[in-house]
Amino acid sequence: AQRVTQPEKLLSVFKGAPVELKCNYSYSGSPELFWYVQYSRQRLQLLLRHISRESIKGFTADLNKGETSFHLKKPFAQEEDSAMYYCALSLTDSWGKLQFGAGTQVVVTP
Amino acid sequence: NAGVMQNPRHLVRRRGQEARLRCSPMKGHSHVYWYRQLPEEGLKFMVYLQKENIIDESGMPKERFSAEFPKEGPSILRIQQVVRGDSAAYFCASSQGSARDLFFGPGTRLTVL
Repeated sequence: AQRVTQPEKLLSVFKGAPVELKCNYSYSGSPELFWYVQYSRQRLQLLLRHISRESIKGFTADLNKGETSFHLKKPFAQEEDSAMYYCALSLTDSWGKLQFGAGTQVVVTP
Repeated sequence: NAGVMQNPRHLVRRRGQEARLRCSPMKGHSHVYWYRQLPEEGLKFMVYLQKENIIDESGMPKERFSAEFPKEGPSILRIQQVVRGDSAAYFCASSQGSARDLFFGPGTRLTVL
């Protein structure tokens, strides 16, 4: 069965420090992976998708098929990065049918 | 573009009543998805609809839950005879196509007393 695991419920980092949010998945097919973010009092929104191999707001994520991981990284955390982050796996060709992890709350302190 | 709209934002029902949750997709979007989020958990896919068609309802509970997306008007998620376990946040998302980015609504928080 498909599963997305985010082992950290809460990640507290200092401003300027690197931050890494872990995401592991189990899926027998060829995965499409995404990171979504929800800032305080805002809607859930797409942060980045692995297929685009892009960097958004300084965040990058590399798909490692050998380790079945899609960790999200940023070298220098900013206070505005404080948010809830969800890793998600597309269950089919439809990018809308997603399996979400439980989420990681990131708190960046000055 | 106002984005995906959901109403009501908060809904309180007593056990046994019906809950109707509405979702208006973004302008130009014909694909709608419903998700449910229980406390301390990630979002769980429920159903995928296009206008007048249910494409995938593999995440819907077999009983009491139904969804529609009529030719005119919003998509409706209907929960009959609600139970306390139905208390959750229900999110709607829309997209222009199946391999296109999702845009989420603000969610409806359902509380069953």
